[in-house]
Amino acid sequence: SQTIHQWPATLVQPVGSPLSLECTVEGTSNPNLYWYRQAAGRGLQLLFYSVGIGQISSEVPQNLSASRPQDRQFILSSKKLLLSDSGFYLCAWSSGQGLRGYTFGSGTRLTVV
Amino acid sequence: SQQGEEDPQALSIQEGENATMNCSYKTSINNLQWYRQNSGRGLVHLILIRSNEREKHSGRLRVTLDTSKKSSSLLITASRAADTASYFCATASPSGTYKYIFGTGTRLKVLA
Repeated sequence: SQTIHQWPATLVQPVGSPLSLECTVEGTSNPNLYWYRQAAGRGLQLLFYSVGIGQISSEVPQNLSASRPQDRQFILSSKKLLLSDSGFYLCAWSSGQGLRGYTFGSGTRLTVV
Repeated sequence: SQQGEEDPQALSIQEGENATMNCSYKTSINNLQWYRQNSGRGLVHLILIRSNEREKHSGRLRVTLDTSKKSSSLLITASRAADTASYFCATASPSGTYKYIFGTGTRLKVLA
């Protein structure tokens, strides 16, 4: 069966520090991968998505970047965090056009202080 | 920008009652999905309805879709305390760009 792993679960980082969040998927090949951010009590904002290795689409210009070095690995990064980068980050995967829905990771709560 | 907007933003009901949440969207869609999120957790896919379908059932869930009004509703019958969560709709465009846009969610609280 397919599983998705996202870590860490919580992270407290100082302003100006770098960030690296990792997401890996098991049990499937060539998944579509997504990074979403959720502000407290709000909906999900699509940040990046990838339909293949090295293929990254950015939805919102911001202080973050994403990379997909391997088929089932998706990384969210920042060189210098801002206070406004705080939030709940969710990784997800889907197959094809997502007609079976997205499978989400358990999320990373990032607090920038 | 948000494609979907759920209504109401928050809903509080007694256990055993039905809960109805609505979702409105702005552009033509290929399909619409509903998700559930327990506090501080990832989202869980509940049900998908295609643009050529009008109603779909899954257990205690009933979803309707009105493409002429660009709206969908999620009905949870005989609610339980364990149904307490936030519920989101998500829509994909007909162009098949593999990405879904999520609404702002409805926070449902079921009181025991």
